[in-house]
Amino acid sequence: AQKITQTQPGMFVQEKEAVTLDCTYDTSDQSYGLFWYKQPSSGEMIFLIYQGSYDEQNATEGRYSLNFQKARKSANLVISASQLGDSAMYFCAMREGQRTGGKLIFGQGTELSVKP
Amino acid sequence: EAEVAQSPRYKITEKSQAVAFWCDPISGHATLYWYRQILGQGPELLVQFQDESVVDDSQLPKDRFSAERLKGVDSTLKIQPAELGDSAMYLCASSRGQGGSYEQYFGPGTRLTVT
Repeated sequence: AQKITQTQPGMFVQEKEAVTLDCTYDTSDQSYGLFWYKQPSSGEMIFLIYQGSYDEQNATEGRYSLNFQKARKSANLVISASQLGDSAMYFCAMREGQRTGGKLIFGQGTELSVKP
Repeated sequence: EAEVAQSPRYKITEKSQAVAFWCDPISGHATLYWYRQILGQGPELLVQFQDESVVDDSQLPKDRFSAERLKGVDSTLKIQPAELGDSAMYLCASSRGQGGSYEQYFGPGTRLTVT
């Protein structure tokens, strides 16, 4: 069964430093997509970055990059130059090809706190 | 910038009462999702629509929950009767299509408290 595991319930990082949030996944499909979302205290889920299982390059979006290691089934999010506004919950999610109709399976989340 | 709209933002209700949530997806988005997020956990899909048709409602507690998207645009999620365990954030999301890299855009959510 498809599953997403985020093993870090909480993380602290100093402002302007980089931080890595861990995500491992389990799937038997060859075609899947991996997403990261940010959820501030207001509750809205904000899309950050996407990586397809067949993408050869690691995805990057501004200060966000995804360290995709297919053989290890990991898709870690790297945030460079952390800002105070990055303090939030971060969720890793997976979509298995077309079979599931597009629903996302989410991990438990990691709460990131950025210290000034 | 187009957004997914949800109302109400907050709802407090007593158990055994009926409650309804509304979602208006981004214009042109054919796929609509309702997720439930219990405090401290990630969201879980309740129901997915493609236009006006239900694609996946396998996790929807059908004895008390119902969802509709009559004209394939906005959608309503209803709970009757509400139970204490229904206290959660209810998130609506929409996307242009299913699967692939289609990003899901989420609304601000409805935070439900059942007393």
